[in-house]
Amino acid sequence: EDKVVQSPLSLVVHEGDTVTLNCSYEVTNFRSLLWYKQEKKAPTFLFMLTSSGIEKKSGRLSSILDKKELFSILNITATQTGDSAVYLCAVVDYGGSQGNLIFGKGTKLSVKP
Amino acid sequence: ETGVTQSPTHLIKTRGQQVTLRCSSQSGHNTVSWYQQALGQGPQFIFQYYREEENGRGNFPPRFSGLQFPNYSSELNVNALELDDSALYLCASSSGGGVAYEQYFGPGTRLTVT
Repeated sequence: EDKVVQSPLSLVVHEGDTVTLNCSYEVTNFRSLLWYKQEKKAPTFLFMLTSSGIEKKSGRLSSILDKKELFSILNITATQTGDSAVYLCAVVDYGGSQGNLIFGKGTKLSVKP
Repeated sequence: ETGVTQSPTHLIKTRGQQVTLRCSSQSGHNTVSWYQQALGQGPQFIFQYYREEENGRGNFPPRFSGLQFPNYSSELNVNALELDDSALYLCASSSGGGVAYEQYFGPGTRLTVT
């Protein structure tokens, strides 16, 4: 059965800390891996990763994919209280012609002042 | 450019009733996917519509059904509601053409079944 596993499930840090969130996957028809940030309701798109070893970066956030070892990490440097959210990892399962997303349970990040 | 919108924001139904949730896709997007997110869980794929036809379905019973209209908006219908159907229902739109791109989510509908 296809699955996406995130760790840790929750994390508490202080402002200024650097965090690494992990996502491993076993998906037969892997197409790409996406990271989302979910603060209240709608997950907001962060990154899409398709190729191994190429880091994607946006401000203090960065992410990389390892297709050989089947995992991805999301790094956040110099964390701020506004980074507090649930971070979701999802894999595009290309079973249909459009693909659908298989999500992990998420990592709940709490950043304390 | 307008984003993905959903209605209603939240609603409360009784077990056994039927419910219809609505989603308007982002301008230029022709694909709508529906997800169910139970408390403390990641979203689970229900089904996807592409050009008004169902294009993939997750592990949900037939009482979950949907539609997509010519303007690419979509409905999710759930019959014979059960307590476990209580969840946040998210729709996401994307532009396809046969390739999966990043999906953009609406704010969700919080359904409570009592």
